[in-house]
Amino acid sequence: ELKVEQNPLFLSMQEGKNYTIYCNYSTTSDRLYWYRQDPGKSLESLFVLLSNGAVKQEGRLMASLDTKARLSTLHITAAVHDLSATYFCAVEVARGGADGLTFGKGTHLIIQP
Amino acid sequence: DAGVTQSPTHLIKTRGQQVTLRCSPKSGHDTVSWYQQALGQGPQFIFQYYEEEERQRGNFPDRFSGHQFPNYSSELNVNALLLGDSALYLCASSLYLGLRRDSPLHFGNGTRLTVT
Repeated sequence: ELKVEQNPLFLSMQEGKNYTIYCNYSTTSDRLYWYRQDPGKSLESLFVLLSNGAVKQEGRLMASLDTKARLSTLHITAAVHDLSATYFCAVEVARGGADGLTFGKGTHLIIQP
Repeated sequence: DAGVTQSPTHLIKTRGQQVTLRCSPKSGHDTVSWYQQALGQGPQFIFQYYEEEERQRGNFPDRFSGHQFPNYSSELNVNALLLGDSALYLCASSLYLGLRRDSPLHFGNGTRLTVT
């Protein structure tokens, strides 16, 4: 059974600081996703990572993938309050031509002024 | 370009009742997946529909069933509701696995189901 573990599950940080969220998964993956969810809202796609060594950046967020270590990271640079949200990583393993995502429990991020 | 739309947005049902949730995929998408998100948890995969057939199923009982229509829209049915079925139900659409590369699943805003 595929397991996806995120840490930390809860993170409170100050504006201007840097931090990294980690996502470990237990089996070979075809794709890894990062999503953001604001309270009471749906999931917003941040990044899709396909191959070993993939790195993608958007604003203050940067995601990377190490398929050999089965590890993805989401790095936050110079955090701002607007980045407060819950961040999920999700792993996709294609089976029989179909696919479903297995999500981590999420990292609840609070950025304080 | 309309994204994924779900209805209703909120629903309150009594234990033992049945419920139907609806989803229209993003324009151009042909595959619909359903997820259950309990409060404070990550979404859990229920099942996926493509070409009007269930292609893959997560670890959910037979009380959860679905359907996909020729226009790619989908329904999720839950019978004999339990208190534990209270959750946010999310629909996601995409192109079938073999046709997409780095495009993500697109999620709707969800249906909040409360079972009393």
